[in-house]
Amino acid sequence: KQEVTQIPAALSVPEGENLVLNCSFTDSAIYNLQWFRQDPGKGLTSLLLIQSSQREQTSGRLNASLDKSSGRSTLYIAASQPGDSATYLCAVRSTTDSWGKLQFGAGTQVVVTP
Amino acid sequence: SAVISQKPSRDICQRGTSLTIQCQVDSQVTMMFWYRQQPGQSLTLIATANQGSEATYESGFVIDKFPISRPNLTFSTLTVSNMSPEDSSIYLCSVERDRPGELFFGEGSRLTVL
Repeated sequence: KQEVTQIPAALSVPEGENLVLNCSFTDSAIYNLQWFRQDPGKGLTSLLLIQSSQREQTSGRLNASLDKSSGRSTLYIAASQPGDSATYLCAVRSTTDSWGKLQFGAGTQVVVTP
Repeated sequence: SAVISQKPSRDICQRGTSLTIQCQVDSQVTMMFWYRQQPGQSLTLIATANQGSEATYESGFVIDKFPISRPNLTFSTLTVSNMSPEDSSIYLCSVERDRPGELFFGEGSRLTVL
């Protein structure tokens, strides 16, 4: 059974610092990995999708890497801003799971202080 | 991306009652997915809703407790039946759009059961 772990559980940084969020998964047979942002009491906003054949994806200040063989993904957020404060979730879709079924990590709660 | 609207956004319910959550998508999709996020937990897939057929439920979720309707390709409802405080959660509707395997989520419906 796929298990997804996110470390650290919480992170506080001053504005301007780079953020590094880690995600690990136990089964490398994945279809893709997706990073989300969740604001308190809200739904999820898709940030980046990495297909299993890709090693990284970039969008603006965000960059996500994927090392499928070692079961790891890292989300980098450059030059953090207070508006980046949120919980970041990673989720994987395993090749053995049904369509639309993602296994989520517990998330990393990020606070960026002005 | 996709525009996914959910109603209600939040509600406070009494034990033993039922509540229906609506999900409207801005364009036709084959499958719609319902997820649950219990307090302090990550997301778990409840079921997949296909138009014209019965929903497919994940292990631990049953139709009597979470009946789902899918009357057309842009709309679905999830009912939480005979609610108990353990049902207090955020319920999220999700669809796959644009790129294969990329999920988009609605804003969620936060239910509190007293």
